[in-house]
Formats: sequence, structure tokens, C-alpha cells
Amino acid sequence: GNSVTQMEGPVTLSEEAFLTINCTYTATGYPSLFWYVQYPGEGLQLLLKATKADDKGSNKGFEATYRKETTSFHLEKGSVQVSDSAVYFCALSLGRGNEKLTFGTGTRLTIIP
Amino acid sequence: EAGVAQSPRYKIIEKRQSVAFWCNPISGHATLYWYQQILGQGPKLLIQFQNNGVVDDSQLPKDRFSAERLKGVDSTLKIQPAKLEDSAVYLCASSLGLADTDTQYFGPGTRLTVL
Repeated sequence: GNSVTQMEGPVTLSEEAFLTINCTYTATGYPSLFWYVQYPGEGLQLLLKATKADDKGSNKGFEATYRKETTSFHLEKGSVQVSDSAVYFCALSLGRGNEKLTFGTGTRLTIIP
Repeated sequence: EAGVAQSPRYKIIEKRQSVAFWCNPISGHATLYWYQQILGQGPKLLIQFQNNGVVDDSQLPKDRFSAERLKGVDSTLKIQPAKLEDSAVYLCASSLGLADTDTQYFGPGTRLTVL
């Protein structure tokens, strides 16, 4: 079946540190890949996405590259801020009439000043 | 633009009671999803509607869960009777439904506690 495996948390970093949250997937076919973020007290919102191999999604200083050869979509940011503290979810969708999102378990990120 | 609305935000019930959740998607969004998020896990799809038709309900426990979207706009998810393991956040999401890479927009969720 289709699944997403995420780096387990929680992750605590100092402000301005480099961030990597690992995500690997298993899927039949060619999925689209997503990172969603949930800030404290708020709903899930799309952070970035990539729809085919070698695509790079980016938003708010975050980046992730769709690597088909390693079935990965790792999230990176060069310099994190306190406001990046949130729970991050990696997800995939097969599309083509099967648009449901399959999520990882989430990674809680805390940035300390 | 108004986002996805859900109510109530919180609900506490006893096991074997019934409960209903309501969702109003973003205006013009044809596709509506209900997800269940158990504490410490990622959301899991319960049911997907395209307009007022069901696209995928393969993971909906149909002996106790039901959902409808009669006019192709807002939707209701019901649990009857509730079990302890139904304690979770119930998320509603919507998308335009025009392309398979459409962004899904999520509501704030309803947190259900079954005692």
C-alpha cells in the first residue's frame, strides 16, 4: 500500500540553525508530494508541494526536492525562526481520481531563541 | 476569501452516544474530504465527495459512521454509537476538484472526546 515515513520528533533547534526533516514514501505509480504545517491553535495548511520527479517545492524559505531514486522528499530550511515552531506533516497523493492525502505521523518542531 | 468552516470545535460525549459534525467548504469547491486524526498520528481519510457523490469511502467504518453532502455544498459526518477509540480530531478539507493536484484546504477541526 501507499505510506509515508517521517523523521520522528520532537525536534528542538536554536534560532538560525539549519533544519532538515526527513520524509520517505512508498507508493504505486507516481505520486505528488506535499508538506503541510500546523501552527499552534491553527488548522493544517499547505507549505509546499512537488508533482513530479526532480521538482523542487519552496515557500517561506523552506524547500523540498522530489527524489524518485531515493523515494524521498526531505524538508529543509537554512535558518529557522521561532515562528517556524509547528508540527510538520509529509503527505502524498496519487491523483487521477485518487486525490486523498496519505500523511506521515508528523514532526513537532520547536525553535528556541 | 472565507476558509473551511467546521462546528462544533469541541465535543465531549459518553460512549454509545451519537454525535454529528458539520462542515462548510470554501465556496465553489467541488471536492470535500473528511479526515480522522488520532493523537500522535497523521490524518486518515474517512470519505471523499465530488459534488454530492461519494468518490472514496473505503476507510469509513460504515457500521457506525455516516456522512452526507446532499446539495453538494456543506456536509455532515455522524457517529452512532460512539466508541472510546473514536476520540480524535475530525478534519474537513475542500478543493476545487478541477485537477488531481488541486490544493486541499483544511478547516480547524472538531476535537471529539469519548468518555
